[in-house]
Amino acid sequence: DGGITQSPKYLFRKEGQNVTLSCEQNLNHDAMYWYRQDPGQGLRLIYYSQIVNDFQKGDIAEGYSVSREKKESFPLTVTSAQKNPTAFYLCASSHSTAYFNSPLHFGNGTRLTVT
Amino acid sequence: KNEVEQSPQNLTAQEGEFITINCSYSVGISALHWLQQHPGGGIVSLFMLSSGKKKHGRLIATINIQEKHSSLHITASHPRDSAVYICAVKGDNNDMRFGAGTRLTVKP
Repeated sequence: DGGITQSPKYLFRKEGQNVTLSCEQNLNHDAMYWYRQDPGQGLRLIYYSQIVNDFQKGDIAEGYSVSREKKESFPLTVTSAQKNPTAFYLCASSHSTAYFNSPLHFGNGTRLTVT
Repeated sequence: KNEVEQSPQNLTAQEGEFITINCSYSVGISALHWLQQHPGGGIVSLFMLSSGKKKHGRLIATINIQEKHSSLHITASHPRDSAVYICAVKGDNNDMRFGAGTRLTVKP
């Protein structure tokens, strides 16, 4: 079955360390997105990519970096510059290159805890 | 004030009840999404609509563009419907804004 795979489900890191969250999709979607979810708040967009080798900053990109070397993969690195990295991270994809004009498909998320 | 407001924040219902979750937004939009987040965290897209009404099984979504309001209805609710329901809007400037979600618990 096609879908989006995020790994790992739970991730623990010490403060000051960079950490990379994996996101892989086999839906042949052009567009991919990274969101952050905090309790009591709506999802917030970190980065998105509409095509391979191209990506754009979202609303809260500071302290994060991404790459899009392959259509299937859109890893997110949480750097030590991110002041409050503990959160639930969700990866999503959509078919259309017209941003958000088609239904979103989400992964199951990665819960990152930094101590 | 958030651009996307959902009500109620929390909702508890008995199995079989008719459920309504509301979403109001303050920006111009080209599309509205209803999403379902399961207890494990994964999110499923339920509906994308820009006008009128859509139905899928026991779920119905409506939107009133003039009033900037959308509702998600669940008929004959079941405990497996227990989840967080999220409203999201695609704005005219091509960005996406999400509500904080409505946590629904359906008791047997």
